[in-house]
Amino acid sequence: QVTLKESAPALVKPTQTLTLTCTFSGFSLRTSGIRVSWIRQPPGKALEWLARIDWDDEKFYSTSLKTRLSISKDTSKNQVVLTMANMDPVDTATYYCARSRGIPVAGYYYYGMDVWGQGTTVAVSS
Amino acid sequence: DIQMTQSPSSLSASVGDRVTITCRASQSIDSYLNWYQQKPGKAPKLLIFAAFSLQSGVPSRFSGSGSGTDFTLTISSLQPEDFATYYCQQSYGTPFTFGPGTKVDIK
Repeated sequence: QVTLKESAPALVKPTQTLTLTCTFSGFSLRTSGIRVSWIRQPPGKALEWLARIDWDDEKFYSTSLKTRLSISKDTSKNQVVLTMANMDPVDTATYYCARSRGIPVAGYYYYGMDVWGQGTTVAVSS
Repeated sequence: DIQMTQSPSSLSASVGDRVTITCRASQSIDSYLNWYQQKPGKAPKLLIFAAFSLQSGVPSRFSGSGSGTDFTLTISSLQPEDFATYYCQQSYGTPFTFGPGTKVDIK
């Protein structure tokens, strides 16, 4: 059974750095084609993709947030960590991690985020 | 970045109705389009990947179509458990981007 679970402090102060941890089971980030993304959702708003790390340690970031984000993996612990610097109240949101794996369709590989964590809510306030 | 738009932003429908949601990309994304369903307080759920491929376990009343820039999610006969918000997402290139969502509620 594939599961992911996010953990983070529920409250951070403005200007602090947020550390989000995604702990997963049922798959390995050593396996070719596996990816883990972070996505957030402010209250009442749409989903926003933040970052992704792939099985081969390739890393990708949101254009608007890339100067504040850093993603890493610890394959021995089955964890993916995202840090977000210089937190602001507008960063108040539920943060999700999700797995993708390549599925072949008509000769090409397609990646949907097929398993999500339950999300962790982070508030930014002084 | 590739911009995704959806229409309508919300709709009201009755059980048994056929519902169609449209998603448009700001440039061609071939068939790299996914659809998700999200219920209040829950994580999104993958419904469709590769524009038309049904994710395992998703009822066959859900279907997807389109390629290039224009895509459609259709629910052939709306069920009570389908009242939710639906998002499209492009996986053609990073950064990935989501549409703004379409909320489907009860008429």
